[in-house]
Amino acid sequence: EPEVTQTPSHQVTQMGQEVILRCVPISNHLYFYWYRQILGQKVEFLVSFYNNEISEKSEIFDDQFSVERPDGSNFTLKIRSTKLEDSAMYFCASRAGQLNQPQHFGDGTRLSIL
Amino acid sequence: AQKITQTQPGMFVQEKEAVTLDCTYDTSDPSYGLFWYKQPSSGEMIFLIYQGSYDQQNATEGRYSLNFQKARKSANLVISASQLGDSAMYFCAMREMMGGGSNYKLTFGKGTLLTVNP
Repeated sequence: EPEVTQTPSHQVTQMGQEVILRCVPISNHLYFYWYRQILGQKVEFLVSFYNNEISEKSEIFDDQFSVERPDGSNFTLKIRSTKLEDSAMYFCASRAGQLNQPQHFGDGTRLSIL
Repeated sequence: AQKITQTQPGMFVQEKEAVTLDCTYDTSDPSYGLFWYKQPSSGEMIFLIYQGSYDQQNATEGRYSLNFQKARKSANLVISASQLGDSAMYFCAMREMMGGGSNYKLTFGKGTLLTVNP
């Protein structure tokens, strides 16, 4: 069964450094998402990407964040200058076109900011 | 704004017994969808089951079923014949439409940690 893959599984970065989290969504999916989950808290929506552009973003997704789909398969989340509070599990998800289709999540990247 | 409430931070069940995990929701949209996801200790998020607001029957998927009570705004997950591998965090989530098309984001509850005892 096709799945969403995320790399790396764990990323440790110094505060202030840039980090890029990578995702390969399921190949025929049209909608792409990033969510984050701070340890012990709810999963929170960050951004949605459709038709090669951001379709919606949350208040968390400020100017430090950006997303790209550079080559039709990869989907990346970049954090320009990381802060301690960016430490979280980051999930990529993708979905087919129909409204009743679920979002399929990757295994997540655990980001630790030191 | 939409809201999902899971009132059980933790639940225990004996292996082979059934367990119900509660989820209530609040929305003003007449068309909505509810999802349940499982998150084992390894961290991945696994889709389990979906219920649409206009679906005539309660959703079922193997050992998972949804007790959907629209008037009470509840969508409880029932796991039958619990197995040790069912021990995990379970999240209820609601579809929240975005942008006027067919895109949506998920609003998650806080989750319920299920422990299956041998």
